[in-house]
Amino acid sequence: QTVVTQETSFSVSPGGTVTLTCGLSSGSVSTSYYPSWYQQTPGQAPRTLIYSTNTRSSGVPDRFSGSILGNKAALTITGAQADDESDYYCVLYMGSGSWVFGGGTKLTVL
Amino acid sequence: EVQLVESGGGLVQPGGSLRLSCAASGFTFSTYSLNWVRQAPGKGLEWVSYISSSSSTIHYADSVKGRFTISRDNAKNSLYLQMNSLRDEDTAVYYCATKYSGSPAFDYWGQGTLVTVSS
Repeated sequence: QTVVTQETSFSVSPGGTVTLTCGLSSGSVSTSYYPSWYQQTPGQAPRTLIYSTNTRSSGVPDRFSGSILGNKAALTITGAQADDESDYYCVLYMGSGSWVFGGGTKLTVL
Repeated sequence: EVQLVESGGGLVQPGGSLRLSCAASGFTFSTYSLNWVRQAPGKGLEWVSYISSSSSTIHYADSVKGRFTISRDNAKNSLYLQMNSLRDEDTAVYYCATKYSGSPAFDYWGQGTLVTVSS
């Protein structure tokens, strides 16, 4: 069974830079998995941030960026703001019309 | 403005059935593939099911295969999820989400509807 791994939690100072990662329990994440990233605050629906590894969704500020770092997908937030405090989920496309989400990273800005 | 509005959630006993709906507006519904994604209370997101724009291609997560059926009515701009043989672990908020036309990722999301399976 495929497991997509994310850090459980992360902390960043206001104005700082943080990189969240998305890996596979077995193997490397590549662009072929079309990694995408979603932001969710409590009680709200997810918001799409990044798709196809590094394409920002409409209206997403450019301080959010996606990439492949080593064998993982990565979401980098540059100049973190208080309202970036959220849960962040990555999802990988496994082919044949199926997706697997990571467990999510709870980001604290303090 | 794109809108996806889910409905049909509620309390159901284990083994019971429920049908969720997702009403869409603000975009050309018939040209978009759609998904259901769920989130158990306090847990992460889980992809549930996919349907192509013409309903010709349908996929399910293993956890719901054989129990859930996804469908759509392009004339009514609506997406459905028929859920049978419900289990405690199906308790979740169910979101409908469009798929980007050029990428296997989720684009617009509804606000979700809560399904609670409990005796």
